[in-house]
Amino acid sequence: GAGVSQSPRYKVTKRGQDVTLRCDPISSHATLYWYQQALGQGPEFLTYFNYEAQPDKSGLPSDRFSAERPEGSISTLTIQRTEQRDSAMYRCASSQSSSGELFFGEGSRLTVL
Amino acid sequence: GQQVMQIPQYQHVQEGEDFTTYCNSSTTLSNIQWYKQRPGGHPVFLIQLVKSGEVKKQKRLTFQFGEAKKNSSLHITATQTTDVGTYFCADSGGSNYKLTFGKGTLLTVNP
Repeated sequence: GAGVSQSPRYKVTKRGQDVTLRCDPISSHATLYWYQQALGQGPEFLTYFNYEAQPDKSGLPSDRFSAERPEGSISTLTIQRTEQRDSAMYRCASSQSSSGELFFGEGSRLTVL
Repeated sequence: GQQVMQIPQYQHVQEGEDFTTYCNSSTTLSNIQWYKQRPGGHPVFLIQLVKSGEVKKQKRLTFQFGEAKKNSSLHITATQTTDVGTYFCADSGGSNYKLTFGKGTLLTVNP
């Protein structure tokens, strides 16, 4: 697509529920990133993919968080048994190469009640 | 891990005044990228600095990378209301993929 597309834009859920966020990167981009951004803070790295490979998931806060990109294009970020502290903006970004500029999507704002 | 400190946290200026934000680290920075995030928007890439002492200009914006690669700065000359937003620096920490962002500097401009 023309830009990075994320859905849903807003998600409100109850504590304990699972949520899945979706990212559709720029079609020619091999590398896809997930970042978490708290209000008034900079984005924090969660994980990244090079095509379908996930070389680094060291930024995922706990094992309740997982991400996949099975066909090297669309990616999902799943949070199981959500907690209030998971409330944040989740941003997906893609780049042509792993060291190039990042193109961010509009983000998915998650609120856990 | 790599920490990138940005100062100031906030800056309010009158339109036409200059603005500078600084990005500092206690360890050597690898490649610095600068992003701008408008209120309610997403980070948008501005520039990447790679070489020690590098200076790049984009119209009214001047980006510098320190000689020791431990700091970087963004200077805006004669601010306009369209410059409003949060400016982030980010360092790759030598990983080539994992950017560590600073907390950003929020710039507001009084018309």
